[in-house]
Amino acid sequence: AQKITQTQPGMFVQEKEAVTLDCTYDTSDPSYGLFWYKQPSSGEMIFLIYQGSYDQQNATEGRYSLNFQKARKSANLVISASQLGDSAMYFCAMREPDSNYQLIWGAGTKLIIKP
Amino acid sequence: SQTIHQWPATLVQPVGSPLSLECTVEGTSNPNLYWYRQAAGRGLQLLFYSVGIGQISSEVPQNLSASRPQDRQFILSSKKLLLSDSGFYLCAWRVTETQYFGPGTRLLVL
Repeated sequence: AQKITQTQPGMFVQEKEAVTLDCTYDTSDPSYGLFWYKQPSSGEMIFLIYQGSYDQQNATEGRYSLNFQKARKSANLVISASQLGDSAMYFCAMREPDSNYQLIWGAGTKLIIKP
Repeated sequence: SQTIHQWPATLVQPVGSPLSLECTVEGTSNPNLYWYRQAAGRGLQLLFYSVGIGQISSEVPQNLSASRPQDRQFILSSKKLLLSDSGFYLCAWRVTETQYFGPGTRLLVL
C-alpha cells in the first residue's frame, strides 16, 4: 500500500503566487518524520523542510512552510511568493521509526512557474 | 560545513561492463550513508545503506553491490551491468534527522 501519496503529478502556477503541494501519508506509528525535497533539472536533491510528528508548530524555512495536519495525515508544502527558480520536481518523504532512518518517498510533483 | 561528492557525474557504459561509483563526505564523522537510484521521471529507490565501515544493508536484490572501506567513503559496484541499471544514482549522508544528497551520477548502459 502507498505510504506517501502526492496526488498532483504536475502544476502550473503564476510567478509571485503562493503554491500548495499536497502530500498525504500512512503510518500507524506515533513517531515519524516528514520531509520535503526539491529536485531541479540538474538532478541534485535539495532538502527544504522537516516536520517531526511531535512538533507542536508547523515547520517554516524562509518561503517554505509545512501545513501539518496530523489527524488528516497530511503534510502539504506551501511556497509563498513563487519565483521562476522554484520550477522543479518536489518530493515528499517520510521516516518511520526502527527503520535506520530510511525514507519512504512519494512519486513527486512537477511544479512549473510561469512568468 | 559538510559537503558530499560523487563521481563521475556522467557515465556511458556497455552492457556487461563493470561499474564503480564513488561517494565521499567531508566535514562530518560516522555518518549513515545511502545509495539511491532514480529512473527517469520516477521517485527514489533505496539500494543500500551503511551505518559504519564494512556494514552494508541491501534493500533490493540485484546485480549491484556496495562497500564502505572508510568512514566517509561509499562505493557502488557491479561486475556486469544490465540495461536496466541505467538511471540516476544518488548518494546521501545523515547524522541527525535529515538526509543530504550529493549531485548524483547519470548512468546510461547501452
